[in-house]
Amino acid sequence: EAGVVQSPRYKIIEKKQPVAFWCNPISGHNTLYWYRQNLGQGPELLIRYENEEAVDDSQLPKDRFSAERLKGVDSTLKIQPAELGDSAVYLCASSSRQMNTEAFFGQGTRLTVV
Amino acid sequence: EDQVTQSPEALRLQEGESSSLNCSYTVSGLRGLFWYRQDPGKGPEFLFTLYSAGEEKEKERLKATLTKKESFLHITAPKPEDSATYLCAEKGEDNDMRFGAGTRLTVKP
Repeated sequence: EAGVVQSPRYKIIEKKQPVAFWCNPISGHNTLYWYRQNLGQGPELLIRYENEEAVDDSQLPKDRFSAERLKGVDSTLKIQPAELGDSAVYLCASSSRQMNTEAFFGQGTRLTVV
Repeated sequence: EDQVTQSPEALRLQEGESSSLNCSYTVSGLRGLFWYRQDPGKGPEFLFTLYSAGEEKEKERLKATLTKKESFLHITAPKPEDSATYLCAEKGEDNDMRFGAGTRLTVKP
C-alpha cells in the first residue's frame, strides 16, 4: 500500500513569490493534516480536514496561507506571498475514519525562502 | 491551551546504556498518546498509540507506558541505529494531534 505522497521534496523561492505544496493521502483516509516543522522543533498543526471540510484552521496564517482539499482526497497548501520566516519543512499526514487512530506522514517538502 | 512537553531535549547514550524519555501532556480528555520516530530529512514514523493510564506497548528495544499526565519511552540496551528524534503527540476531544518538541537521541558505539 502506498504511503502519503508529497511533492515537491524541495523548493527554493525568492521572498514575495507564491509557492504550492501537494499531498496525496493514503487511500481511504478521510482525515488529512498539514503541519509546519521548524528546525529542531516538533510539527506545528496548520490545518485539519475531515473529508473536504476544513474542521480546524485556527493555526493557519490566513493572510498569506490557503489550503484546499477538493473531492476529499488530494490537498494543496499555498503561500502567497512567501516571507523569509516561512522557511521550514511542510508535512502532510493522513489517518483513517476512526477518531483515535494514528496518523501517517509523508516525507515533507523543505521550503527555503531567500 | 493544551501542551505537550518532552524532556530531555537531547540525550547521549553509550550503546547498551538503557534510559527513558519523558512526555507530559495537559489535555483533559485524552483520546490517544502517540510516539513517533523521526530521522533527519524524513517524515515522522509511527511507533505506538496508548489510550489509557496503565497501558504499555513494546517493539524491539522500545517500550511505551502511559500515566494520567505522562508517557515514557523506555529504551533498553540501545544500538546506534536507534539514534533519531523521538516525538510524542496527544489527541484530545477535538481530534487534533499536537506534538512536543521532541527528544534528540544519540547512541554512541
